[in-house]
Amino acid sequence: AQKITQTQPGMFVQEKEAVTLDCTYDTSDPSYGLFWYKQPSSGEMIFLIYQGSYDQQNATEGRYSLNFQKARKSANLVISASQLGDSAMYFCAMRENSGYSTLTFGKGTMLLVSP
Amino acid sequence: GAGVSQSPSNKVTEKGKDVELRCDPISGHTALYWYRQSLGQGLEFLIYFQGNSAPDKSGLPSDRFSAERTGGSVSTLTIQRTQQEDSAVYLCASSPRGYGNYGYTFGSGTRLTVV
Repeated sequence: AQKITQTQPGMFVQEKEAVTLDCTYDTSDPSYGLFWYKQPSSGEMIFLIYQGSYDQQNATEGRYSLNFQKARKSANLVISASQLGDSAMYFCAMRENSGYSTLTFGKGTMLLVSP
Repeated sequence: GAGVSQSPSNKVTEKGKDVELRCDPISGHTALYWYRQSLGQGLEFLIYFQGNSAPDKSGLPSDRFSAERTGGSVSTLTIQRTQQEDSAVYLCASSPRGYGNYGYTFGSGTRLTVV
């Protein structure tokens, strides 16, 4: 069963607008972490933001915030005031905390920011 | 080192040849991971090292793929008798620990092309 689902293959947004990238996950582990990575056309994977399952508040990092809805098992990434440089592939990932575990990635969402 | 270093950055090889891909993780990171990313696809997990041992190698696609890690540091991913379907970007990542809410730092990847 797929653990991370990103239902939007592609998203378009105009510069300076906000955009939400969807991510849902599936786990029975009560302790886990959720991550978002950005992959520009250069191919590098850039860590953006992290949310722990026990964190009471939604994570924020500059223009990035994570809309964490635990009961719905969703961890949507919100990018405010989009910039042209935000055009990239965005991956949601999860890591369960029971013992050794690896990051499981979603299939990604391609974001294109237009002027 | 300051980041995760992978070499070579690009490799073109003939079908049937063996290739070795190298990963030098961040100093002190005990966990090391190999992923594969085919064109336009998400990240496919290959193998995870904790120290020099591999608790999870469930993602290796066939027995043509093997990996080792020595001295708790450098790792080598070897593909024997390469096939065209092995063409992909091979990404290495490291993490301070193999458990808990630690994110990964990725290298820039090795783009492998089998002709």
